[in-house]
Amino acid sequence: LAKTTQPISMDSYEGQEVNITCSHNNIATNDYITWYQQFPSQGPRFIIQGYKTKVTNEVASLFIPADRKSSTLSLPRVSLSDTAVYYCLVGSNTGGFKTIFGAGTRLFVKA
Amino acid sequence: GAVVSQHPSRVICKSGTSVKIECRSLDFQATTMFWYRQFPKQSLMLMATSNEGSKATYEQGVEKDKFLINHASLTLSTLTVTSAHPEDSSFYICSASPPARTDTQYFGPGTRLTVL
Repeated sequence: LAKTTQPISMDSYEGQEVNITCSHNNIATNDYITWYQQFPSQGPRFIIQGYKTKVTNEVASLFIPADRKSSTLSLPRVSLSDTAVYYCLVGSNTGGFKTIFGAGTRLFVKA
Repeated sequence: GAVVSQHPSRVICKSGTSVKIECRSLDFQATTMFWYRQFPKQSLMLMATSNEGSKATYEQGVEKDKFLINHASLTLSTLTVTSAHPEDSSFYICSASPPARTDTQYFGPGTRLTVL
């Protein structure tokens, strides 16, 4: 199982762009990279998923370099409501996929 | 997007009683469901993987006789905490994956269990 490493916490201000990087050095060929957001006392919410290069949706972008050993979640113009814990996970459909959550990154957005 | 519900959202029970938590996928069929436990300020810990029509696979250190999991249909999985004790108090979260897409999980809102 690919282990992930993220910064424990980050601070930002409203309106700024926030980039959270995740390391996954032993990612497997079939693994996808998925990011989730979690608010206190709620289940995680899917943000974005990618395999390589760049993926963008209405809430975030995901940048994955060619070696795929890391990925960066980019949140444009954060607001106070983006204060949450962000988790990056890697896994695939093959080989009995199992999700192991790392510690996640606690993002604090200040006014 | 895919919706997963949990019931109840919050439960308080006395020590020694059993509590059942339901997890439902509302708009897709889920061949695989996962159960997690989360303590305050900690990450999610996978307890077991539940496949429809077969026995659940429990993670190391999780007592299968204490945490009974049933996945009787493609839209429903249940977790029963038997003979609950105060140390079982936690936030329990389920997730569900569409067929052949276990790399994508949709999470329920969680159930807060408090054992007195």
